[in-house]
Amino acid sequence: DAGVIQSPRHEVTEMGQEVTLRCKPISGHDYLFWYRQTMMRGLELLIYFNNNVPIDDSGMPEDRFSAKMPNASFSTLKIQPSEPRDSAVYFCASSTPSGTIGDEQFFGPGTRLTVL
Amino acid sequence: DQQVKQNSPSLSVQEGRISILNCDYTNSMFDYFLWYKKYPAEGPTFLISISSIKDKNEDGRFTVFLNKSAKHLSLHIVPSQPGDSAVYFCAARAGSSNTGKLIFGQGTTLQVKP
Repeated sequence: DAGVIQSPRHEVTEMGQEVTLRCKPISGHDYLFWYRQTMMRGLELLIYFNNNVPIDDSGMPEDRFSAKMPNASFSTLKIQPSEPRDSAVYFCASSTPSGTIGDEQFFGPGTRLTVL
Repeated sequence: DQQVKQNSPSLSVQEGRISILNCDYTNSMFDYFLWYKKYPAEGPTFLISISSIKDKNEDGRFTVFLNKSAKHLSLHIVPSQPGDSAVYFCAARAGSSNTGKLIFGQGTTLQVKP
């Protein structure tokens, strides 16, 4: 398996522009997570899906952030309009929790977003 | 509110010595704990985990200890190797009813000097 795939790997945009980050989870995984990594807060969970349905979006910082999962193999995280404080590394992860061995999540390589 | 805290942003250790990374949590409902390792420009990868019914889990050079009364866990790496230099995140799961969701700490950057 190719693992979790994220695109683009790097994104540089200007304040006010729309940014769309993409993720393809591991085939067969029924959970998908979006995280943001910052120095101060480490890995923050933004939103997660189970079987394509958003379960918990309490980590989404503002209405400028939105996420969708139209099918089991694709998800997007959109920021509109983007602001300099959104600059961070955004990770997508997927898992298939068994309940007995814990919930190991598999992470993509991340998208480094810079908003000028 | 940080439910999972790694109070040491960085740690430097000599090759061959023991590395001890610490993690504290506040939620007594957490029942499963994991450690992830992250190299630059890569996503975090799973390292080792422990259930709340245990107080120790060992995998080669890596051992995780859990002290439930103190709400504290630690990761021991012995002997440390230069390839262990990375950011280490601890994470916790809040019970089987929240299966799937993990809460991560801020991370600790480990540097192992040759």
